[in-house]
Amino acid sequence: KAGVTQTPRYLIKTRGQQVTLSCSPISGHRSVSWYQQTPGQGLQFLFEYFSETQRNKGNFPGRFSGRQFSNSRSEMNVSTLELGDSALYLCASSAGTGGRGGYTFGSGTRLTVV
Amino acid sequence: QQQVKQSPQSLIVQKGGISIINCAYENTAFDYFPWYQQFPGKGPALLIAIRPDVSEKKEGRFTISFNKSAKQFSLHIMDSQPGDSATYFCAARGSSGGSNYKLTFGKGTLLTVNP
Repeated sequence: KAGVTQTPRYLIKTRGQQVTLSCSPISGHRSVSWYQQTPGQGLQFLFEYFSETQRNKGNFPGRFSGRQFSNSRSEMNVSTLELGDSALYLCASSAGTGGRGGYTFGSGTRLTVV
Repeated sequence: QQQVKQSPQSLIVQKGGISIINCAYENTAFDYFPWYQQFPGKGPALLIAIRPDVSEKKEGRFTISFNKSAKQFSLHIMDSQPGDSATYFCAARGSSGGSNYKLTFGKGTLLTVNP
């Protein structure tokens, strides 16, 4: 079956702009979690959505937001981009919340803020 | 506050050797401990996982050892192969319903297996 699909794979944005990233989970998976990966901080949890509801949130500013649609696809948005937002953004889908059944990660979206 | 501490940051072993990566956690509410493997340009992939009611779990060449009293767990890769060269992450998850019901990751170990 198809894996987790993240689009776009690469993105270059200017400081102050906003960006929207997309994630299509594995068919049948209702939970989507987002992580930011940087060399310095590693993998940091952004938020999790299950059945269109945010179930958990990490320690990121309000500029980071997300949503989930009825087909379980999810988007995350970052407004007023800062240079420090440059990172690999990973989406992970799972059958249940909290990674129950195991996370399956996408290959990520590499965001560069200039 | 770093809730899962992973060491070493990098590790070089010879083909056929044993690779050992260690993790320590602080939150006693954690009840699920997976290891993920990540290759360049790819997202992490689940390798093996353990719950605190067992002290060891083995899958092929990969073994997790778990010490609940010390709040430590480790990944052993037996007969390491060049294809095992990747970044490895340990993680921990809290109990259902709490704010820790998400995976908290260690900072990763870059493993290089020389031929």
